[in-house]
Amino acid sequence: AQSVAQPEDQVNVAEGNPLTVKCTYSVSGNPYLFWYVQYPNRGLQFLLKYITGDNLVKGSYGFEAEFNKSQTSFPLKKPSALVSDSALYFCAVRREDSSYKLIFGSGTRLLVRP
Amino acid sequence: NAGVTQTPKFQVLKTGQSMTLQCAQDMNHNSMYWYRQDPGMGLRLIYYSASEGTTDKGEVPNGYNVSRLNKREFSLRLESAAPSQTSVYFCASSNRLAGGSYNEQFFGPGTRLTVL
Repeated sequence: AQSVAQPEDQVNVAEGNPLTVKCTYSVSGNPYLFWYVQYPNRGLQFLLKYITGDNLVKGSYGFEAEFNKSQTSFPLKKPSALVSDSALYFCAVRREDSSYKLIFGSGTRLLVRP
Repeated sequence: NAGVTQTPKFQVLKTGQSMTLQCAQDMNHNSMYWYRQDPGMGLRLIYYSASEGTTDKGEVPNGYNVSRLNKREFSLRLESAAPSQTSVYFCASSNRLAGGSYNEQFFGPGTRLTVL
């Protein structure tokens, strides 16, 4: 069955330090993977996606993610965290039976302390 | 270009009342979606519309109905609200790319619904 797992409910990091938000997926065939961010009382905003090509994908606000097929992972990374990065982050994978439906992970709250 | 808009932003209903959540997009997207977001559960798809004139059930359709009024608008109706439908509801849209795949989804700001 297709699924997305975000094993950490919350990630804490100090401002200026690198951050990583974990995501693993389970889908047969080639995955289409996405990261979204949600700020308080707002809708989800698209950050980046992996469709094909380079395993390292760069997105908005300095975020990047690395597709690892052997580990079925797609962790979100940023070299230097900002307090303003504090938000809820969702990983998603496109469903196998649909070219447009997504399965979302449960979300990881990122807290960047000054 | 407003993107995806939703009304209302907040709503409180009593059990058994009905209401319609409105969604519109101005990006000329083919597909539209309704999700609900509950703590610790991510987003779950309620209904979707792959293109104008079509709708289909998602993961959690019970207690809801939808109407794809035209290419821009996609409404979600609760016929008889229940406390279990207390949630934050998001509408989203996406476009079909050449080759048949779909682009990322764009989300509205959400409607926070409480059913007493």
